[in-house]
Amino acid sequence: QVQLVQSGAEVKKPGASVTLSCKTSGYTFTTYYLHWLRQAPGQGLEWLGMIDPNGGGTNPAQKFQGRVSVTRDTSTSTVYLKLSSLRSEDTAVYYCAREPPLMVYFDFWGQGTMVTVSS
Amino acid sequence: EIVLTQSPGTLSLSPGERALLSCRASQSISSRYLAWYQQKPGRAPRLLIYGASNRATGIPDRFSGSGSGTDFTLTISRLEPEDFAVYYCQQYGSSSGYTFGQGTKLEIK
Repeated sequence: QVQLVQSGAEVKKPGASVTLSCKTSGYTFTTYYLHWLRQAPGQGLEWLGMIDPNGGGTNPAQKFQGRVSVTRDTSTSTVYLKLSSLRSEDTAVYYCAREPPLMVYFDFWGQGTMVTVSS
Repeated sequence: EIVLTQSPGTLSLSPGERALLSCRASQSISSRYLAWYQQKPGRAPRLLIYGASNRATGIPDRFSGSGSGTDFTLTISRLEPEDFAVYYCQQYGSSSGYTFGQGTKLEIK
C-alpha cells in the first residue's frame, strides 16, 4: 500500500534551517511528483514547492523562492525539504503529498511533521 | 493570483441532513483543476473530489462535487457522524501554483 512516512518533530531557533524527510513506499517513486505543504496552527493549507523525482526538477512556490530547497534520493525513495532563515511564522505542521501523473491534486499525504520556531 | 473563497466559514447541521459547501474562484478556472479535501483534527487532509466532480478512490457516494467557471460546490447528501470536519477546496494555476480556500468547518448542530 502507498505510504509516505515523515520524519519527527523539530524545534529550531530563528535564523536556523530545518531539513525534513518523507520516505515513500508502495509505488514507483519516479512516477509521481511529490510536494511539500504546510499548515500553521489553526490556519489553512499552503503549498511550498514540488519535485519531479524522475529528473530531480523542482518548482518552489514564488513566496518561498530562495528559502526552500526540495531534493530527493532515488535509492531510498525519499524526498527532503530544507527551509532556511526560519522565523516564528514558519511554525507549522509540514506535509509531503503525492500528485498523480498529469493531475493537479494530492492523492496521498504524509502524516505531518511539526516544526516549532522559537527563541 | 487566483483566490479561492469558501462559504460558509462554519456550517452547523445534524446527522442525516444535506450539506452544501461553496468554493468561489476570483477568476474562471478549469474544472480539471479543482479538488476538495476533508481534514479531521490532528490528521492530514484526505482527497475527496478531483476534477470538480470525480470521487476519489474509496470515497462514499454521498459526497459529490459540481460546478464550473468560478463557482463550485461540494454536496454531502446525508451527513454521517464521521463527516463532521473541515473541508478545503484547492486549485492549480500556472502562475500561482497550488492554492487552497480558507476552509469550511462542518460542525454538529
